Amino acid sequence: DTAVSQTPKYLVTQMGNDKSIKCEQNLGHDTMYWYKQDSKKFLKIMFSYNNKELIINETVPNRFSPKSPDKAHLNLHINSLELGDSAVYFCASSLRPPGNTGELFFGEGSRLTVL
Amino acid sequence: LAKTTQPISMDSYEGQEVNITCSHNNIATNDYITWYQQFPSQGPRFIIQGYKTKVTNEVASLFIPADRKSSTLSLPRVSLSDTAVYYCLVGFTNAGKSTFGDGTTLTVKP
Repeated sequence: DTAVSQTPKYLVTQMGNDKSIKCEQNLGHDTMYWYKQDSKKFLKIMFSYNNKELIINETVPNRFSPKSPDKAHLNLHINSLELGDSAVYFCASSLRPPGNTGELFFGEGSRLTVL
Repeated sequence: LAKTTQPISMDSYEGQEVNITCSHNNIATNDYITWYQQFPSQGPRFIIQGYKTKVTNEVASLFIPADRKSSTLSLPRVSLSDTAVYYCLVGFTNAGKSTFGDGTTLTVKP
């Protein structure tokens, strides 16, 4: 069983389109995250939800809107896609809200290419 | 936020011990240090976590000096399958804002 699963794995689309990436975790974790990894492999946190409540919102354009229907799911919707949005987006989860310790469990990533 | 600095890349040979150091000069008192491994087309995977001195598990050791301004991930007797990008992550406090290092690409050669 995949612990953190994301769909789709690959996404190719045109500038200006709207797209969504879905994430589900079956670990029973309370907290989920979205990370963006650019072409230089830099990993940056975008959002975090704890029990469906937004707890981290980094400096991300408001074209990005996360939605958590329940604590096992965290989806990412992106409006008006731009070339610079091309990246790999990783979903992750942790047992508890961010604290001093803890382990992040990552999905396999969703590679978004904007043409 | 604690900013971290790692070497961009390192080369090694099979069977050697590899040490990757991460600098984190402004680490906060409550911050732990965590290392992740990432293979191509996969998400990062937890390797080890520590707060001070030395931590060892079945795959790696983590050395943290008393001032905690750096940490060293030690991989004993690497194999080709250890070729990956290794990330140092400092802190998970302050409302969950954490800083991943830029990653060290380790290439293990036969």
